[in-house]
Amino acid sequence: KQEVTQIPAALSVPEGENLVLNCSFTDSAIYNLQWFRQDPGKGLTSLLLIQSSQREQTSGRLNASLDKSSGRSTLYIAASQPGDSATYLCAVLMNRDDKIIFGKGTRLHILP
Amino acid sequence: DTAVSQTPKYLVTQMGNDKSIKCEQNLGHDTMYWYKQDSKKFLKIMFSYNNKELIINETVPNRFSPKSPDKAHLNLHINSLELGDSAVYFCASSHQYEQYFGPGTRLTVT
Repeated sequence: KQEVTQIPAALSVPEGENLVLNCSFTDSAIYNLQWFRQDPGKGLTSLLLIQSSQREQTSGRLNASLDKSSGRSTLYIAASQPGDSATYLCAVLMNRDDKIIFGKGTRLHILP
Repeated sequence: DTAVSQTPKYLVTQMGNDKSIKCEQNLGHDTMYWYKQDSKKFLKIMFSYNNKELIINETVPNRFSPKSPDKAHLNLHINSLELGDSAVYFCASSHQYEQYFGPGTRLTVT
């Protein structure tokens, strides 16, 4: 059974710092991995999608990496801003049954 | 004791038709959502809705409309279906941060 773990559960950093969020998964038979952000009371906003054959994806200040064999992904946020404060979730799409398994998220707070 | 259910699971229809997908949650959550998963299996939010507010992703065509008869249901109506609407549509509900997804509805427009 696939388990997706995100560490840390919560993180506070001063504005301007670079930071890394971690996601690990136990079953490497994934089709892709996706990073989302969620703001209070809102749905998920898609950030980056990494296909299983890819190693990383970049969008603006965000960079996501994937090491499928070790079951790890990281989301790197450069030059953090208060507007980056949100909960960040990673999710894997399984090959065998197309199920989407989410981690519990990391609550990020950027201190002005 | 299914938490979030969707019907139908598969829907095949012709261009120009109007169709609906139903979603029900028995978790007592206040907020429900519709997502579209495209051919590259990229999941994007379409709507989020609670009894106070409907938030529409600006990229969603107005042929798509959510209808909520009560707190436990959020149905998706699609008018004048187009080939590009073919996708898997997921319903979800949430309380605070954790989202619970339905099994998805695979829509094929021919």
